[in-house]
Amino acid sequence: DIQMTQSPSTLSASVGDRVTITCRASQSISIWLAWYQQKPGKAPKLLIYKASSLESGVPSRFSGSGSGTEFTLTISSLQADDLATYYCLQYETHHTFGPGTKVDI
Amino acid sequence: EVQLVQSGAEVKKPGESLKISCKGSGYNFTKYWIGWVRQMPGKGLEWMGSIYPGGSDTRYSPSFQGQVTISVDKSISTAYLQWSSLKASDTAIYYCAKMAIALTTSSSFDYWGQGTLVTVSS
Repeated sequence: DIQMTQSPSTLSASVGDRVTITCRASQSISIWLAWYQQKPGKAPKLLIYKASSLESGVPSRFSGSGSGTEFTLTISSLQADDLATYYCLQYETHHTFGPGTKVDI
Repeated sequence: EVQLVQSGAEVKKPGESLKISCKGSGYNFTKYWIGWVRQMPGKGLEWMGSIYPGGSDTRYSPSFQGQVTISVDKSISTAYLQWSSLKASDTAIYYCAKMAIALTTSSSFDYWGQGTLVTVSS
């Protein structure tokens, strides 16, 4: 099975900060990686797919990069509405979520 | 508008059986795999398995193989997740989610149900 790790597990930042979250896969997954945002009490929301493609309707301050085993999600200018937990998901073989990164404002 | 509407919250006792549902609308239900995802209280997301409504092909995570059964009734555009004997450790929110790309499991999930809270307690 492909294992996913994320760092950091929690992140405290201020409005306007540039924020970067890293996701690593235990083996190469090419570009088959997505990022999700989950707010308390809500279902996850797709932000990025195929490592760097922005889902329709998602603000352009969100971006993704990487390939192979290392990926990043960047929020260029953190907004108060971005308070959430962020998960990566590999879908190269079955599906595996990362453990999540909680972003505190 | 694409929608996945899940059945309501359940409270069950250990050892009881349960089947929860996920009804899709607004898209061609038979062409997109549907997955089930568990979220235990205060914890992260875990993929449990997926089913292809067009042919009932099913894939399970090794962690959930033999623990749950995923099925579908394409005539009513509904996928199911069921347990034959619940345990307290099955207490969680369960989400269904539709894959973004038709006819393949190599896809992200784009639309999600609202979640079904299952509480198992004696």
